[in-house]
Amino acid sequence: GENVEQHPSTLSVQEGDSAVIKCTYSDSASNYFPWYKQELGKRPQLIIDIRSNVGEKKDQRIAVTLNKTAKHFSLHITETQPEDSAVYFCAALSSASKIIFGSGTRLSIRP
Amino acid sequence: KAGVTQTPRYLIKTRGQQVTLSCSPISGHRSVSWYQQTPGQGLQFLFEYFSETQRNKGNFPGRFSGRQFSNSRSEMNVSTLELGDSALYLCASSLGGWGAYNEQFFGPGTRLTVL
Repeated sequence: GENVEQHPSTLSVQEGDSAVIKCTYSDSASNYFPWYKQELGKRPQLIIDIRSNVGEKKDQRIAVTLNKTAKHFSLHITETQPEDSAVYFCAALSSASKIIFGSGTRLSIRP
Repeated sequence: KAGVTQTPRYLIKTRGQQVTLSCSPISGHRSVSWYQQTPGQGLQFLFEYFSETQRNKGNFPGRFSGRQFSNSRSEMNVSTLELGDSALYLCASSLGGWGAYNEQFFGPGTRLTVL
């Protein structure tokens, strides 16, 4: 069935360094890939998304890249700050219009 | 504009009981989706309703059902509760459902504990 794998499950980086989270998807017809940030005890919030006809998208310190051939997409956070600490979820919208989430990455920023 | 609201926020039930959760979307949003979030399984899609019709369904047993009213408010029902149903249940609303031009806005969730 449709599947999204997300790595790593936990990530700790020094404040100011970059963080990269990677996801792979199984349905080659998936056409929309959002990323959500969920702070402790709070609801998930969309931070960036990308469509299948775009290879890269940036929004200030956050960027997402998509490789359709390899069926993987990545979240890049540069110049990390303490407020970036959260759980990040990738997701893929399958050809059956079902949204499949990755298992999440707990990002910790070390001061 | 008020955000997505869910009631109740916390619920404790015993095995075998049934439960109904409610979700009020952002005004003007016609799509409501439901998710189950657990530490072990992450975020899993339950179903989506659009204009009172179930448009999509995840891989959950028939004990999980839902409906949407004409004002777009949605309810989710779980019958014959099992211990494994303990989770945070999130709903999300959007104008038209999942897609690049329809941002999903999540509610705060209902924390269900089954004893």
